[in-house]
Amino acid sequence: DGGITQSPKYLFRKEGQNVTLSCEQNLNHDAMYWYRQDPGQGLRLIYYSQIVNDFQKGDIAEGYSVSREKKESFPLTVTSAQKNPTAFYLCASSDQYTDTQYFGPGTRLTVL
Amino acid sequence: KQEVTQIPAALSVPEGENLVLNCSFTDSAIYNLQWFRQDPGKGLTSLLLIQSSQREQTSGRLNASLDKSSGRSTLYIAASQPGDSATYLCAVRPVVGGSQGNLIFGKGTKLSVKP
Repeated sequence: DGGITQSPKYLFRKEGQNVTLSCEQNLNHDAMYWYRQDPGQGLRLIYYSQIVNDFQKGDIAEGYSVSREKKESFPLTVTSAQKNPTAFYLCASSDQYTDTQYFGPGTRLTVL
Repeated sequence: KQEVTQIPAALSVPEGENLVLNCSFTDSAIYNLQWFRQDPGKGLTSLLLIQSSQREQTSGRLNASLDKSSGRSTLYIAASQPGDSATYLCAVRPVVGGSQGNLIFGKGTKLSVKP
């Protein structure tokens, strides 16, 4: 059963803590993305990776970090430097031939 | 800078009605335009992708059109059903420096279909 999985579904963090959001795909896609969604807002791109061991900053990369050591995995770390991290985080991957983006179910992060 | 706008922000219709969702973008230099559906608290599901050279795409009761020169796209939903209730997002992939840029999303239209 192919798709994208994100874990955990809900995550709570105390101020000053780093947290890592997991994203795994078994679609054999080269490209993967992290988006942030706030209420009433469109999706904003945080980081993206078009190939293993390479990634680029998106529009709102400050306070976030990523790694791409394996094709199927693209974890996102929300650092204590991110001033307003409470949001819904979506991971996606894309098929290079059709350009269709496939999304995971999302992780809702709340800072207490 | 490319901007994507979706109007209205919310729409409520009775079951069975045909409806149109609108998407506009400020720069006609795009590679493609995509429509997505998002259910509450869930990820996005791709509905239709229209290449810049195409005028429309159809999937079941959904039909999406693209008028690149005027910067507009519409998503037509025929014979709406309560199960169509969701937020519909439009996104464009712009041309940036002769290459493909990253997707730029609108804020979405929240559709409610009343039984």
